[in-house]
Amino acid sequence: DAGITQSPRHKVTETGTPVTLRCHQTENHRYMYWYRQDPGHGLRLIHYSYGVKDTDKGEVSDGYSVSRSKTEDFLLTLESATSSQTSVYFCAIKGAGGNTEAFFGQGTRLTVV
Amino acid sequence: AQSVSQHNHHVILSEAASLELGCNYSYGGTVNLFWYVQYPGQHLQLLLKYFSGDPLVKGIKGFEAEFIKSKFSFNLRKPSVQWSDTAEYFCAVMGSGGYQKVTFGTGTKLQVIP
Repeated sequence: DAGITQSPRHKVTETGTPVTLRCHQTENHRYMYWYRQDPGHGLRLIHYSYGVKDTDKGEVSDGYSVSRSKTEDFLLTLESATSSQTSVYFCAIKGAGGNTEAFFGQGTRLTVV
Repeated sequence: AQSVSQHNHHVILSEAASLELGCNYSYGGTVNLFWYVQYPGQHLQLLLKYFSGDPLVKGIKGFEAEFIKSKFSFNLRKPSVQWSDTAEYFCAVMGSGGYQKVTFGTGTKLQVIP
């Protein structure tokens, strides 16, 4: 498996609190992605990064922010968690070449109560 | 904008039956295409990928997919499924240039009955 670690793996938090999820890679890959997985919706892209300090929004970015201050770490922050953000969050990484695929982390199950 | 449609949401097959899962994509340029599989409780794993060349690509565990450019399709096939193929399958598209954003379909749950 690719060297991707997501932390925490499980978290329960209260509505209105900020939450930060971490994705750490040891592959030195350029691209990093955050997805959320919900039944019936598949994986939806939240934010992605194409380099240190270079990030862009995906299709469901409202209520989320990201930061990438170094190659190996990509942080996803829920600024004020809501019940609609209860989901499984996956981080993915991809090398710089055009002919490379994305590798996924193990996921973080977040419950907002 | 790029998008992916998977028309089969839930498929139930008996062991040894043949499988074909549909995937259609929308993108205005050269694409890279993928099929991923997610076994229950696990993360996504790559089944196969298409970047260029032979439009019939073979992946792991006996799966294959055919890229038909004129139909914007990349259907997944397996001649004979096994109970262990029970999983959720996701088709994905990535533009070949730009920021290499990877977009997924909504997935197809496959249940194989022994």
